[in-house]
Amino acid sequence: EAGVTQFPSHSVIEKGQTVTLRCDPISGHDNLYWYRRVMGKEIKFLLHFVKESKQDESGMPNNRFLAERTGGTYSTLKVQPAELEDSGVYFCASSQKVGQTMNTEAFFGQGTRLTVV
Amino acid sequence: AQSVAQPEDQVNVAEGNPLTVKCTYSVSGNPYLFWYVQYPNRGLQFLLKYITGDNLVKGSYGFEAEFNKSQTSFHLKKPSALVSDSALYFCAVRVYGNNRLAFGKGNQVVVIP
Repeated sequence: EAGVTQFPSHSVIEKGQTVTLRCDPISGHDNLYWYRRVMGKEIKFLLHFVKESKQDESGMPNNRFLAERTGGTYSTLKVQPAELEDSGVYFCASSQKVGQTMNTEAFFGQGTRLTVV
Repeated sequence: AQSVAQPEDQVNVAEGNPLTVKCTYSVSGNPYLFWYVQYPNRGLQFLLKYITGDNLVKGSYGFEAEFNKSQTSFHLKKPSALVSDSALYFCAVRVYGNNRLAFGKGNQVVVIP
């Protein structure tokens, strides 16, 4: 079974540019999460999808960040325009269906390292 | 609000010695606790979880963790560390009704041959 895959693994962009990160969750996982780790700090929650619906987006830093999950499969996270403080590692995770969410561990991808220069 | 503290930035241990990585948490409600490990150039891998029941939880690669409600702790342990255990370890907590995980800042474990 394929795990959570994220693309690209690394991205270096200039301030003001746009970047789109992609996450393919484990097949059949309804829950999809985005997290971010800024260098040396905690991994922080960004948002949670249940299928194609945003369940909780309270962790999104500001309106420069837009996440989508059309069709309830893969998800994209777009940053437009990127700022220096957006640099960090963006993790995607998925877990099984809603009824089992609380007991179920989330499976993480390897992350996308974003550097804004 | 839920939060996790991992007080040590780095834990150094000699190969073959016991390894402990500390974690304390703060939640309002019953916690669901998790440990994840990140090896170099890899994603976060699930190690173990505490949901309910026995306070001592066993997980992957010989790791175990003990839930202590009175001390609000969930320390990760391994009786005999291997060089291959050198990695970044994250403790995380979730409370009922809230699907997000709150992570600690991580501990770098260095096992010295």
